[in-house]
Amino acid sequence: QKEVEQNSGPLSVPEGAIASLNCTYSDRVSQSFFWYRQYSGKSPELIMSIYSNGDKEDGRFTAQLNKASQYVSLLIRDSQPSDSATYLCAVITGNQFYFGTGTSLTVIP
Amino acid sequence: ETGVTQSPTHLIKTRGQQVTLRCSSQSGHNTVSWYQQALGQGPQFIFQYYREEENGRGNFPPRFSGLQFPNYSSELNVNALELDDSALYLCASSRTYNEQFFGPGTRLTVL
Repeated sequence: QKEVEQNSGPLSVPEGAIASLNCTYSDRVSQSFFWYRQYSGKSPELIMSIYSNGDKEDGRFTAQLNKASQYVSLLIRDSQPSDSATYLCAVITGNQFYFGTGTSLTVIP
Repeated sequence: ETGVTQSPTHLIKTRGQQVTLRCSSQSGHNTVSWYQQALGQGPQFIFQYYREEENGRGNFPPRFSGLQFPNYSSELNVNALELDDSALYLCASSRTYNEQFFGPGTRLTVL
C-alpha cells in the first residue's frame, strides 16, 4: 500500500464549477498535510497546508482534513482554465515527506 | 526575498558517470530536501538536510549522497549513474518541518 494515494484522473470540470480533489494516507501518525499544484514542465507550487481536523479556506481554495478517516481533500471554487494542472497531495510522517502521484485537472472554458 | 534556485537546469550524462546538482535555499530557510520525479509520477523523497546533517532519507541507495553547507545551500551527488536515474531532480527548502518551497528543478538525462 502506498503511503499517499490519489485518483490520477483526469478530472474535467467546466469553468466556474467546483473541482474536488481527494487524497488518502496510510499512516495514522502523519501530522502535516499539503496540497501542491504542478503545471506541465514546472516544479510544484504550494497551495495550502493543513495540520488539524476540519476545513481551511484560502481564497477559492478549501482544504479539508479528517484524521479519523485518513483523508485530505482540496476544493477549488469558481474553477478557471488557469487552474488546469496536476494537483499533488503531500504528507509528513516522522521526518519523511510522501507525495501522491497527483490528480490531473482540466477546466474547460 | 530570493526563492530557491537550482543549477544546472538540464544535464546529459552517460551510464556509470557521476553528477553533482546544486541548490540554494530560500532566505530564512535552514532545511533542504531533495526529490526525484520521474515522468508521470509524484516527487520521491531522497533525503533532507538540517544544519548540515542528514535528517531523514527515503528509499534510495547509498550512491545518492548529499551535503549541506553553512549558508544552507546543498548538493546532491549521484554516483554510478543508471538509465533509471533519468528524472527531474527537485530541491525544496523550508523552516524545519514546515511548508516546503521548490526550486525549478534539474532535468537529468542518462544515456
